Amino acid sequence: AQTVTQSQPEMSVQEAETVTLSCTYDTSENNYYLFWYKQPPSRQMILVIRQEAYKQQNATENRFSVNFQKAAKSFSLKISDSQLGDTAMYFCAKGGSQGNLIFGKGTKLSVKP
Amino acid sequence: EPEVTQTPSHQVTQMGQEVILRCVPISNHLYFYWYRQILGQKVEFLVSFYNNEISEKSEIFDDQFSVERPDGSNFTLKIRSTKLEDSAMYFCASRIESVNNSPLHFGNGTRLTVT
Repeated sequence: AQTVTQSQPEMSVQEAETVTLSCTYDTSENNYYLFWYKQPPSRQMILVIRQEAYKQQNATENRFSVNFQKAAKSFSLKISDSQLGDTAMYFCAKGGSQGNLIFGKGTKLSVKP
Repeated sequence: EPEVTQTPSHQVTQMGQEVILRCVPISNHLYFYWYRQILGQKVEFLVSFYNNEISEKSEIFDDQFSVERPDGSNFTLKIRSTKLEDSAMYFCASRIESVNNSPLHFGNGTRLTVT
């Protein structure tokens, strides 16, 4: 069975600082996709960033970037210049065979002023 | 920007009652999904739907659950006889194509409370 593990249930960071959220996964596939979703208190699920496993270059979206280590099956999210609006649950997810997503348990991030 | 809409935002029902959760996916999307998130826990896949039939379902999606696309726009999740443990946020999602890099677009969810 495929699993996605987020080992940090909660994290906090000072505004304007940088924080890294970790994620590891288990798969026997060679080509797959990885995602980070943000869930603010409104409970909406918002796509933050995605990575294609066959691409060696790490994905970047403005202040958000990933460190993808395929051999280690690691997919961490780095948030630079943290803002108060980044406070949310962050879910790491892996694309499944039918297009569904397998989610980790999430990391609750609090950005402090 | 088009979005997935879900109604109602909150549904309260008594144990044993049937509930129907409604979703309107993005109009040109072809693949539809239901996920569940029990409070404080991870988001769990329930079922995927394509071409008017279920393409995959999880162990959670037992005989009490069913999905339907009755009119070409709505995508519904029915729970026949709700149990206390069905209390959760239910998210509908859609995507335009099945390739795994196309993002899932989620609705805002329906909070189901079974009393």
